[in-house]
Amino acid sequence: GDSVTQMEGPVTLSEEAFLTINCTYTATGYPSLFWYVQYPGEGLQLLLKATKADDKGSNKGFEATYRKETTSFHLEKGSVQVSDSAVYFCALANTGGFKTIFGAGTRLFVKA
Amino acid sequence: DTGVSQNPRHKITKRGQNVTFRCDPISEHNRLYWYRQTLGQGPEFLTYFQNEAQLEKSRLLSDRFSAERPKGSFSTLEIQRTEQGDSAMYLCASGGRTSGMEQYFGPGTRLTVT
Repeated sequence: GDSVTQMEGPVTLSEEAFLTINCTYTATGYPSLFWYVQYPGEGLQLLLKATKADDKGSNKGFEATYRKETTSFHLEKGSVQVSDSAVYFCALANTGGFKTIFGAGTRLFVKA
Repeated sequence: DTGVSQNPRHKITKRGQNVTFRCDPISEHNRLYWYRQTLGQGPEFLTYFQNEAQLEKSRLLSDRFSAERPKGSFSTLEIQRTEQGDSAMYLCASGGRTSGMEQYFGPGTRLTVT
């Protein structure tokens, strides 16, 4: 079945460091791919999405490119801030969107 | 747009009791999802409604779990004869016709079974 694998955390970075959180997926067909973020004490919220191969999703300085050849959707940010400390979830939704599969989440700590 | 709301936010119950959770989606959204999330894991899909029709149920949803969405508005998730393994955060999410497959999540209901 469909699945999402993302790098284990926690990831600890200093402010202004470069961030990469790896995400790979297994799916039939052509899924849409998402990154959701959960800030401390808050619910999950969509960070960015990409609906087809080679699409790049971006928001709040974060980017991820849908790579069908490597079945990956890695999250990147050039310069992290303390306020980016959160748990990041990679997810996929297949045709029809009935079921979204989430990765286990990667916790990011950013130190001042 | 007041967002997705869930009630109660916390529920502590004794093993063997029944519990019911409510989710109020964003008003114009026709899609509604339930997930279960345990510590250190991502949300696990439980069930999906499109309007009032329950179109998919996970194998995780045993006979003790039932969900409804009468009239395609709010939804309830009932767990009968709770077990300690049911302790988790139960998340509701909704999505609209124009929002693609993205979902908007509620704050969750944390269930503790003692």
